[in-house]
Amino acid sequence: DAKTTQPPSMDCAEGRAANLPCNHSTISGNEYVYWYRQIHSQGPQYIIHGLKNNETNEMASLIITEDRKSSTLILPHATLRDTAVYYCIVRVVGNQFYFGTGTSLTVIP
Amino acid sequence: EAGVAQSPRYKIIEKRQSVAFWCNPISGHATLYWYQQILGQGPKLLIQFQNNGVVDDSQLPKDRFSAERLKGVDSTLKIQPAKLEDSAVYLCASSLEGQGSQYFGPGTRLTVL
Repeated sequence: DAKTTQPPSMDCAEGRAANLPCNHSTISGNEYVYWYRQIHSQGPQYIIHGLKNNETNEMASLIITEDRKSSTLILPHATLRDTAVYYCIVRVVGNQFYFGTGTSLTVIP
Repeated sequence: EAGVAQSPRYKIIEKRQSVAFWCNPISGHATLYWYQQILGQGPKLLIQFQNNGVVDDSQLPKDRFSAERLKGVDSTLKIQPAKLEDSAVYLCASSLEGQGSQYFGPGTRLTVL
């Protein structure tokens, strides 16, 4: 049970912001939202995580709605190297991650 | 800081043969995870270790898959005998004791012919 729903694919113009949505309507109050990305032939790479508040780091920003039923990952200035599959994950008890099928983001020159 | 190491990176075997994968987690990480990623799908958790004990192996096909982490550091995942549907990338990840971000290795791509 992935617990998250994401669009299968998205395109973004290079230099523009990429906004990747995720629905997690059954999330529990103490479950974190994590985002990872996977570039072809590599292992998933951590991007960002959050519980209730919006978060920002050097890679991205995470916006979580007040009811926590959805979130958006924002890559502020997408580059060609950001082309990857992006996974939104709800971390459940025991630090277990359940991956869905993710969103394949293509950054277009 | 060294990342999660896995070997081999690629393996091709025939069905009914045996295969083993090795993982060395990040130093100090007590929790280790094995995932299976079939082409076009997200990773699926197979087994989770806390030190040398199994926390969860509910998704591990125990009739043919086994895993161990005898000294609480390195881990080995074995498939015996392999089936065609076992063709996948096997990912190892580690984290601090039962919490926080998981750090993934590069994976082992298994092809069963």
